[in-house]
Amino acid sequence: NAGVTQTPKFQVLKTGQSMTLQCAQDMNHNSMYWYRQDPGMGLRLIYYSASEGTTDKGEVPNGYNVSRLNKREFSLRLESAAPSQTSVYFCATSRVNTEAFFGQGTRLTVV
Amino acid sequence: GQQVMQIPQYQHVQEGEDFTTYCNSSTTLSNIQWYKQRPGGHPVFLIQLVKSGEVKKQKRLTFQFGEAKKNSSLHITATQTTDVGTYFCAVTGGGNKLTFGTGTQLKVEL
Repeated sequence: NAGVTQTPKFQVLKTGQSMTLQCAQDMNHNSMYWYRQDPGMGLRLIYYSASEGTTDKGEVPNGYNVSRLNKREFSLRLESAAPSQTSVYFCATSRVNTEAFFGQGTRLTVV
Repeated sequence: GQQVMQIPQYQHVQEGEDFTTYCNSSTTLSNIQWYKQRPGGHPVFLIQLVKSGEVKKQKRLTFQFGEAKKNSSLHITATQTTDVGTYFCAVTGGGNKLTFGTGTQLKVEL
């Protein structure tokens, strides 16, 4: 079992370019999350999905869109990347009120 | 939304010293979770506390949930270099929204 798989692991974008970060889980969890992590800022929730077919904004949703394609997959899209979106992005999954499992992260640099 | 304040932001200790990090909320929490993130890694779940006044231990780590379920602490006895990392608390809100504290970065010097 792979658990939570994020692709790509590293990415460099130019300002204004778009890209989609992929997340897939084989744990049969209903809830999925996208976080960004910047030095000294902890893990900030961008979007989450309590179940297939639903998505909700977190603390920092501006500049991002998400798609819960099915129970397994939750993607994060940057339509027009900005240097302020340089960060490490983590996808996570969980059942209700239980531990979350994280992917390995995507290190994104926007130049 | 639910927010938790975590202190301190950084802590440097000598190996063998104790370490404590605290999470505080202005609202009553249904539960609280603790995670550890090694440098360059991803957060890994340590424990979940649910009951008022709950205390749980994992070897040298002691986790407490306050009587009012508004605060929690993680205490490490006799730190080792393997304890280096950032420790986060996290709380669950409506719709299973999982929100993290800002974390405490622990450095352990020999």
